[in-house]
Amino acid sequence: AQRVTQPEKLLSVFKGAPVELKCNYSYSGSPELFWYVQYSRQRLQLLLRHISRESIKGFTADLNKGETSFHLKKPFAQEEDSAMYYCALSGETGNQFYFGTGTSLTVIP
Amino acid sequence: GAGVSQSPRYKVAKRGQDVALRCDPISGHVSLFWYQQALGQGPEFLTYFQNEAQLDKSGLPSDRFFAERPEGSVSTLKIQRTQQEDSAVYLCASILLAEGEQFFGPGTRLTVL
Repeated sequence: AQRVTQPEKLLSVFKGAPVELKCNYSYSGSPELFWYVQYSRQRLQLLLRHISRESIKGFTADLNKGETSFHLKKPFAQEEDSAMYYCALSGETGNQFYFGTGTSLTVIP
Repeated sequence: GAGVSQSPRYKVAKRGQDVALRCDPISGHVSLFWYQQALGQGPEFLTYFQNEAQLDKSGLPSDRFFAERPEGSVSTLKIQRTQQEDSAVYLCASILLAEGEQFFGPGTRLTVL
């Protein structure tokens, strides 16, 4: 069963424009949601997690349990934001971890 | 200190060969995940260790896949009788405790001919 859905494979925005990367999930119980990012020729790394409620590199994500969504947003995209973004979910036990298929974001100068 | 390392970085195997992929987690990290990432896909969960205990192996695609972490540090993912569909990048990630940020290795790209 697909637990994490990222509907956009590719997303292009102009520098300075707002960006939103969509993520929907299906899980019974109380999952923990994450966004991971992979910059070109770098390792996958954590961007943010919903329980910390932080803004990292200007990105925020709000967990909407009613809509089962965890969309990633940034008001003004920068060229260095170009990367592959993965939404991920951890179950309550923490023993399993599920990634979406990823969205490749390109910020056009 | 050093991050998570994986070896080899690239592996080419003939169909039917056995392969062993190694993961060296960050020293002291309790938890370790293995993932399989096919081209154009996100990482797919394979298995999870807490120290030397394999707490979840529900993601292993077949009984040809076997993972171990005998001393609670280095882990090995073994694939027996490799098939073409096993071609993927295999990622390892470690976590300091049971929950927290996963630190990923660079991956091993396996190509089965």
